[in-house]
Amino acid sequence: EVQLVQSGAEVKKPGESLKISCKGSGYSFTNYWIAWVRQMPGKGLEWMAIIYPSDSGTKYSPSFQGQVTISADKSISTAYLQWSSLKASDTGTYYCARHPPGVSGQYFNIDYWGQGTLVTVSS
Amino acid sequence: DIVMTQSPDSLAVSLGERATINCKSSHTILYSSNNKNYLAWHQQKPGQPPRLLIYWASTRESGVPDRFSGSGSGTNFTLTISSLQAEDVAVYYCQQYYSTPVTFGQGTRLEIK
Repeated sequence: EVQLVQSGAEVKKPGESLKISCKGSGYSFTNYWIAWVRQMPGKGLEWMAIIYPSDSGTKYSPSFQGQVTISADKSISTAYLQWSSLKASDTGTYYCARHPPGVSGQYFNIDYWGQGTLVTVSS
Repeated sequence: DIVMTQSPDSLAVSLGERATINCKSSHTILYSSNNKNYLAWHQQKPGQPPRLLIYWASTRESGVPDRFSGSGSGTNFTLTISSLQAEDVAVYYCQQYYSTPVTFGQGTRLEIK
């Protein structure tokens, strides 16, 4: 059974750093892309960035480029999303999601979602 | 970025009746080399993560009830629920994966009338 299990909820202050995780199981972790998707309170879904764990190749949405960093450790089948200096506007639920690979660096639709990590940034 | 626009924003339908949600893309998402539309539909129930329903615009994901169907091509797409059940109350999102960044529609909230 494919599973994406995310780390637990976080409460942080503005300016603090944070790294959240997403562990894949039940499939070959290195052969599928992992994306991060933000959902601000009461709002819709925003795709942030994607990584291919096999070679750590990344692509970022222009809206999130420079604001976050994604990484992966294929030895433990885990992807990460990190912030160096959080803002109150980073408050939201963050989902990891799996994209099957296409050809030539393509990827297809999201087929599995993690359970979400709630990040609250407040002074 | 490709902008995805859904209509309506919210919808109330009686149990057993048909529900129709539309999604329009600002650029074609039909890839000419394989004749596939790079569009998916996801369902998000309250307090839950989203769940994939449909991909390639009309292919139902395994385990999804056959009352859910997708149609359309190019820039105009539709998700239809043929006979609404109580468990279908959710927000529905279309998603294009034709180009980076992946983008979603704003969501359509479906309720029981």
